[in-house]
Amino acid sequence: DQQVKQNSPSLSVQEGRISILNCDYTNSMFDYFLWYKKYPAEGPTFLISISSIKDKNEDGRFTVFLNKSAKHLSLHIVPSQPGDSAVYFCAAAGGTSYGKLTFGQGTILTVHP
Amino acid sequence: DAEITQSPRHKITETGRQVTLACHQTWNHNNMFWYRQDLGHGLRLIHYSYGVHDTNKGEVSDGYSVSRSNTEDLPLTLESAASSQTSVYFCASSEVFGSTGELFFGEGSRLTVL
Repeated sequence: DQQVKQNSPSLSVQEGRISILNCDYTNSMFDYFLWYKKYPAEGPTFLISISSIKDKNEDGRFTVFLNKSAKHLSLHIVPSQPGDSAVYFCAAAGGTSYGKLTFGQGTILTVHP
Repeated sequence: DAEITQSPRHKITETGRQVTLACHQTWNHNNMFWYRQDLGHGLRLIHYSYGVHDTNKGEVSDGYSVSRSNTEDLPLTLESAASSQTSVYFCASSEVFGSTGELFFGEGSRLTVL
């Protein structure tokens, strides 16, 4: 039972364009969402988060949008840079999960120069 | 600088052997977690701890155990390694009690079970 899903295994984007990574969740108890970035042979690192009381959170080139009615969130990267090429994981927590994160499968983003 | 370290970074073992993966953090975080990363599954929670002598099972805990004798360490033990446990294992910690908090991950331990 995959409670957090990233249905696109990979995404390829040209440098300077927008990258949009999508994530869907099924558990209505989730109230906090995070995006992590992972380079090969390294651990995931925190990128940006959003609470369910908001529908948008921005941090520089990164913006996360949350649509609670659709149980959908997305990460926008504008403009995309080659250094953004990595695996991006969506994660969610809340309700009884008490500090634990449930992760999606990940999306491999490739930004071409 | 505070950090979280895992060892070994790479391990090859045989089916049936006992294996222990070490995790050490110097942030003095109460919360520690073990995840495994597999293609198509993302990161799945194995075990977690909210403090000394506290351990809890995650979604894929069968065949794994942990112990928490101090704040800094959460070793993960595979009692009898199986080929299905070939994976990359990540330890993580967080400081916020009763909330999600941001997880800080180690660099991972790649385990191959032959």
